[in-house]
Amino acid sequence: KQEVTQIPAALSVPEGENLVLNCSFTDSAIYNLQWFRQDPGKGLTSLLLIQSSQREQTSGRLNASLDKSSGRSTLYIAASQPGDSATYLCAVNSGYSTLTFGKGTMLLVSP
Amino acid sequence: EPEVTQTPSHQVTQMGQEVILRCVPISNHLYFYWYRQILGQKVEFLVSFYNNEISEKSEIFDDQFSVERPDGSNFTLKIRSTKLEDSAMYFCASIRIGTGIETQYFGPGTRLLVL
Repeated sequence: KQEVTQIPAALSVPEGENLVLNCSFTDSAIYNLQWFRQDPGKGLTSLLLIQSSQREQTSGRLNASLDKSSGRSTLYIAASQPGDSATYLCAVNSGYSTLTFGKGTMLLVSP
Repeated sequence: EPEVTQTPSHQVTQMGQEVILRCVPISNHLYFYWYRQILGQKVEFLVSFYNNEISEKSEIFDDQFSVERPDGSNFTLKIRSTKLEDSAMYFCASIRIGTGIETQYFGPGTRLLVL
């Protein structure tokens, strides 16, 4: 059974810092991995999707990497802003597009 | 940009009552999902639906749960006799084809509180 773990559970940084969020998964047989953003009490916004054959994906200040063999992914956020404050969820697709989620990293970026 | 929508945004119900949560997936999408998130816990898969039948379901999706696509646009989750532990945020999601290479689009969720 696929298990997804995210560390740290919470992170607080001053505005402007670059930061890395980590995700690990136990079964490397995945189709893809998605990073989501969740604001308090809200839905999930997809940030990046990396296919199993890819090593990284970039969107603006976000860069996600994938090392399938070691079961790891990272989300790099450059020049963080207070508006980046949210919970970031990692989810892996192991088949039929059913996603298995981590518990998330709660990020606070202070002005 | 097309969105997945869900109604109601919030629902409060008494234990033992039936609830129906509604979702309108993106119009050209063919695969539909329900997930739930108990407060402070992970988002958990409940069920996937394709071609008017369940494709996959988790252990959580027992006989108290059912899904339906009653018309060409709505996708519903019914809980027949709610329990306190059903209190959670319920998310609907959809994807176009289901080849395993696409982004899943999530709705804003329905917060269900069972008293």
